[in-house]
Amino acid sequence: DQQVKQNSPSLSVQEGRISILNCDYTNSMFDYFLWYKKYPAEGPTFLISISSIKDKNEDGRFTVFLNKSAKHLSLHIVPSQPGDSAVYFCAASGGGSEKLVFGKGTKLTVNP
Amino acid sequence: EAGVVQSPRYKIIEKKQPVAFWCNPISGHNTLYWYRQNLGQGPELLIRYENEEAVDDSQLPKDRFSAERLKGVDSTLKIQPAELGDSAVYLCASSSRLGEAFFGQGTRLTVV
Repeated sequence: DQQVKQNSPSLSVQEGRISILNCDYTNSMFDYFLWYKKYPAEGPTFLISISSIKDKNEDGRFTVFLNKSAKHLSLHIVPSQPGDSAVYFCAASGGGSEKLVFGKGTKLTVNP
Repeated sequence: EAGVVQSPRYKIIEKKQPVAFWCNPISGHNTLYWYRQNLGQGPELLIRYENEEAVDDSQLPKDRFSAERLKGVDSTLKIQPAELGDSAVYLCASSSRLGEAFFGQGTRLTVV
């Protein structure tokens, strides 16, 4: 039973365009959501997070949107750069637990 | 500030042999995690420590896996005996009380 789902294994966009990565969750107890970026042969790197009391959090080119009623969040990257090419993991925690539950990841490729 | 340090980076062993991984978390981080990441999957929690206490080890296969975090700082994860299915990347992460988790580079284990 996968509590955090990233249904798109891969995404390809042109440099300068917007990248939108999606994530759905099933556990209504989740109240904190994070995005991690992972390059090959490296550990995941924290990118941006959002608490359930917010519906949007922005950090430079990265914005995360949270729709609690739909149990859906998305990561927007604008403008996309070739260096953004990586695997992006959505993660969630909550219900009094600090355990992070990860999705399977989406591989983003930004073409020059 | 140094990040989470793991060693070794790579390990190849024969099945039924023991293996150990070491993790040095970020200074001051009370929470330490061990995750396992299989190919094409997101990281899955094996065990979480708050200081030296294991507070969530429900996903740790206790018949062959063991972990310790002496003095609430460094941690080791051991597998004895290793099986072919244990081949994966083992990730260590640490966090402060209310912060996001920072990951090390991981140890890629191959059991042959």
